[in-house]
Amino acid sequence: EAQVTQNPRYLITVTGKKLTVTCSQNMNHEYMSWYRQDPGLGLRQIYYSMNVEVTDKGDVPEGYKVSRKEKRNFPLILESPSPNQTSLYFCASSFRGQNYGYTFGSGTRLTVV
Amino acid sequence: SQQGEEDPQALSIQEGENATMNCSYKTSINNLQWYRQNSGRGLVHLILIRSNEREKHSGRLRVTLDTSKKSSSLLITASRAADTASYFCATASALGSGANSKLTFGKGITLSVRP
Repeated sequence: EAQVTQNPRYLITVTGKKLTVTCSQNMNHEYMSWYRQDPGLGLRQIYYSMNVEVTDKGDVPEGYKVSRKEKRNFPLILESPSPNQTSLYFCASSFRGQNYGYTFGSGTRLTVV
Repeated sequence: SQQGEEDPQALSIQEGENATMNCSYKTSINNLQWYRQNSGRGLVHLILIRSNEREKHSGRLRVTLDTSKKSSSLLITASRAADTASYFCATASALGSGANSKLTFGKGITLSVRP
């Protein structure tokens, strides 16, 4: 089944403890992206990657890192999480960017206390 | 940077009725897409309409695009309780450097279909 897999689904962590949210797609898509969704603010893009070893900042990149060493994986790294990063995170992929439909993962609900 | 804005913010209809949702945007686009999100779940791609298209159909969905008015509408015909979800429009900008980098999503419309 074609899908984007995110892990974990739920995560509660403490301020300052580094964490990684994994994202993997099995569709050989070139483009991958991370969004966060917050009430009243909608979906905002954090980082995106047009292809392997090519990443760029979205609208809200502060406090996040990403890497794209393989085509299928695009992990999101929070080096020192803070409470304002409490949110619902989505990974998405598409064949080749915005001119194709995105496939989204099921989301990761992160709480930073 | 919010591009698409959906209207209304919330819509409640009876099963079997049609649901119409609107989206307006500000800058030139390559395409506009509609997505559905069930509560707390990932978004699901419904339909993509390109800037040179005026209307597109997919099953019970009909999407129109009016680039002169910078607006789009999503019509769901013969609605079902299972259509209850949030619906988002997303625009692919045609302008500026990095324009090919992302879809910009609106804040969504909450549709409730009463059985």
